[in-house]
Amino acid sequence: QKEVEQNSGPLSVPEGAIASLNCTYSDRGSQSFFWYRQYSGKSPELIMSIYSNGDKEDGRFTAQLNKASQYVSLLIRDSQPSDSATYLCAVNTGRRALTFGSGTRLQVQP
Amino acid sequence: DGGITQSPKYLFRKEGQNVTLSCEQNLNHDAMYWYRQDPGQGLRLIYYSQIVNDFQKGDIAEGYSVSREKKESFPLTVTSAQKNPTAFYLCASSMAGDSNQPQHFGDGTRLSIL
Repeated sequence: QKEVEQNSGPLSVPEGAIASLNCTYSDRGSQSFFWYRQYSGKSPELIMSIYSNGDKEDGRFTAQLNKASQYVSLLIRDSQPSDSATYLCAVNTGRRALTFGSGTRLQVQP
Repeated sequence: DGGITQSPKYLFRKEGQNVTLSCEQNLNHDAMYWYRQDPGQGLRLIYYSQIVNDFQKGDIAEGYSVSREKKESFPLTVTSAQKNPTAFYLCASSMAGDSNQPQHFGDGTRLSIL
């Protein structure tokens, strides 16, 4: 079992819709969770971090964490074509470096 | 501007050659990391360093070497022992050697075989 799992997609949503990206992790002791956005050919860019159960909102982005079910999700409201990218989930699994999922590719259709 | 600078942006390696990728940060971060990304895949950890003059192997360290002689610098050498070096290499840093801190990335180096 992979430590951090994401559906590779592509996830296709129409412009203006809500995009929902999911990530599950295997280590129950994980304490910190991050979402990165990576445009094609570019490096990952941190967009959200979450440390406790519940929701955390930042503009059009909401991160949701459920430690009991071991999943973390990212909601993107009012999706724009510029949101089209690969979204990487990263988790602190107790090691000294983050463990990354393989990413979900999001396509926002104009 | 504070940030992480990777150079070169593109690099070509000949058979049997060692090449070194540069990573410099001026964020005063203690920890630095090297990842490899293959097309359509996530990031795999090569090496990481939490403090000057100390570093640890990640998941795919074979065929790579690093040094950490200065806080600001964490160069990665891809040796001839790495038989499949073609990939996108990403350097990252974080505020402390504690993975509760987010990592921030440089722009990456694309390495190809000639």
